[in-house]
Amino acid sequence: QKEVEQDPGPLSVPEGAIVSLNCTYSNSAFQYFMWYRQYSRKGPELLMYTYSSGNKEDGRFTAQVDKSSKYISLFIRDSQPSDSATYLCAMKAGGSEKLVFGKGTKLTVNP
Amino acid sequence: DAGVIQSPRHEVTEMGQEVTLRCKPISGHNSLFWYRQTMMRGLELLIYFNNNVPIDDSGMPEDRFSAKMPNASFSTLKIQPSEPRDSAVYFCASSSGGKDQPQHFGDGTRLSIL
Repeated sequence: QKEVEQDPGPLSVPEGAIVSLNCTYSNSAFQYFMWYRQYSRKGPELLMYTYSSGNKEDGRFTAQVDKSSKYISLFIRDSQPSDSATYLCAMKAGGSEKLVFGKGTKLTVNP
Repeated sequence: DAGVIQSPRHEVTEMGQEVTLRCKPISGHNSLFWYRQTMMRGLELLIYFNNNVPIDDSGMPEDRFSAKMPNASFSTLKIQPSEPRDSAVYFCASSSGGKDQPQHFGDGTRLSIL
């Protein structure tokens, strides 16, 4: 079993839809959880950063962490064509700088 | 603010040649990371440095790969000799250190070994 599992998609939605992206993980030592957005031929860009369980909201984006289920989610409200990108979840243990990434989910928002 | 700068952006070379990838981290950041991204394996950490010292190189695939950080503003990843299976996008990232600091990525070097 991989440490971090993420459905690669692709996921295609109409503009304005609510998008749900998810990752599961197996390492209970993970405490920091991130979502990165990666546009084609660019580097990953940090979108959301959460510590431990709970929700975090930033504009149209909401990150959720459920440590009991080892499950994290990213919700995008009122999705826009500019949200079309690959979304990578990433996580690390509390005593480490090493990030472990999911493989990414490719999202297309159609106008 | 200048982000992480990588060069070259693209590299095409023949099998057996030496390849050197370069990275300039964000000024003031003291942790630097080298990653490799492929369709099959996703984004994988190869090695990371803290205060110019290699901390963990367990992700380096084999002895053909080496990385150095001679000073706080420059790092190299070298592959010698290169092989077709090394073809990938190589990313450099930096952070200001500490367990809760995020990593900021450059735009990568797209490497093709023929």
